[in-house]
Amino acid sequence: GAGVSQSPSNKVTEKGKDVELRCDPISGHTALYWYRQSLGQGLEFLIYFQGNSAPDKSGLPSDRFSAERTGGSVSTLTIQRTQQEDSAVYLCASSLRGMNTGELFFGEGSRLTVL
Amino acid sequence: AQSVTQLGSHVSVSEGALVLLRCNYSSSVPPYLFWYVQYPNQGLQLLLKYTTGATLVKGINGFEAEFKKSETSFHLTKPSAHMSDAAEYFCAVSEDFGNEKLTFGTGTRLTIIP
Repeated sequence: GAGVSQSPSNKVTEKGKDVELRCDPISGHTALYWYRQSLGQGLEFLIYFQGNSAPDKSGLPSDRFSAERTGGSVSTLTIQRTQQEDSAVYLCASSLRGMNTGELFFGEGSRLTVL
Repeated sequence: AQSVTQLGSHVSVSEGALVLLRCNYSSSVPPYLFWYVQYPNQGLQLLLKYTTGATLVKGINGFEAEFKKSETSFHLTKPSAHMSDAAEYFCAVSEDFGNEKLTFGTGTRLTIIP
């Protein structure tokens, strides 16, 4: 596609439920990132995928969070047993590593509200 | 470990006035520095970046930033604010240009007063 696509754009769920957030990166981009944007907290790095390498999961806040990237393209971020503190906007970004541009291309985000 | 500090979570300037958004960084190696802008209900987009070479970098929409190693700063400026500049601005740093894994500041929301 022309840009990074994320779905759903908004998700309201009850505490304890599982949620899945989807990211479709720009075609051909080898790197994919998930960030979390909370009010007053800026952007918090969650996880990074690069090609066939093992993902960098160093930013995942707990074992309730996981992500996968199938076929080197679409990625799904899963949050199990959601808590109210998980409420945030989850941003996905992609880049073409090796171009040395330093530029990430962001989607519009998925806003998660946990009641 | 790298980090970014943005002074002022909210900045208001009059239309036509100078815009100055402050960013200081901490890095153990020569950093790569970025400013991203997020307009309402949109994703972040790159405004400008410093990698190597000239320390004064120019970006889109008339913005520029200067890398000052001695001050560990990368402040964003624009000589004359326009209403369309109202947005949230994020400073970011990377120590590894190859993987584009960025550490972001907490953001500064810029409001333009008519």
